[in-house]
Amino acid sequence: NAGVTQTPKFQVLKTGQSMTLQCAQDMNHEYMSWYRQDPGMGLRLIHYSVGAGITDQGEVPNGYNVSRSTTEDFPLRLLSAAPSQTSVYFCASRGSSFGTQYFGPGTRLLVL
Amino acid sequence: AQSVTQPDIHITVSEGASLELRCNYSYGATPYLFWYVQSPGQGLQLLLKYFSGDTLVQGIKGFEAEFKRSQSSFNLRKPSVHWSDAAEYFCAVAFAGGTSYGKLTFGQGTILTVHP
Repeated sequence: NAGVTQTPKFQVLKTGQSMTLQCAQDMNHEYMSWYRQDPGMGLRLIHYSVGAGITDQGEVPNGYNVSRSTTEDFPLRLLSAAPSQTSVYFCASRGSSFGTQYFGPGTRLLVL
Repeated sequence: AQSVTQPDIHITVSEGASLELRCNYSYGATPYLFWYVQSPGQGLQLLLKYFSGDTLVQGIKGFEAEFKRSQSSFNLRKPSVHWSDAAEYFCAVAFAGGTSYGKLTFGQGTILTVHP
């Protein structure tokens, strides 16, 4: 049982490039979320999903896309990277609306 | 909109001293409350949570927290801090009503430094 896994661990992009951050969980959780963490701002919700085929926007969705074709996977796409997207990104999953949320180890993204 | 405030950005304590980290939330619906800890370069780990019942909840690593509805607070405490407790601590809230149903909102975090 690997829990929540994220790849890559670290990525450097140039402004305007696109990329996909991968997230997978093996706990059969319906709820999955993407957060970004910036110093002094805590974690802010980017997008979330309550099941395969169902996604919704969080607090800071601009510049990011998500899809949920399977229960296990919830990739986050940066369409055209900007320096303001330099951050640490965490994926999380939970089994119910108010269940314990499990976090992945994070992806550190630097946009030059 | 729901919000969570952790008034203390950085707290320093001596090893063996007691600790209290503050957390206040705002919103009218029934809150579900969480404390997470993040060690440097790591993801977040759940310390404890409050859903209902006894307002004093026990968590892992000797931590406890008390929910006070009248003060909209959920402060985290530990009677004797260990050097390994040095980390960043996040309070989080989710609500059972309205458009924010189930969404987890985090505070800004409190960095704990422990002096020997």
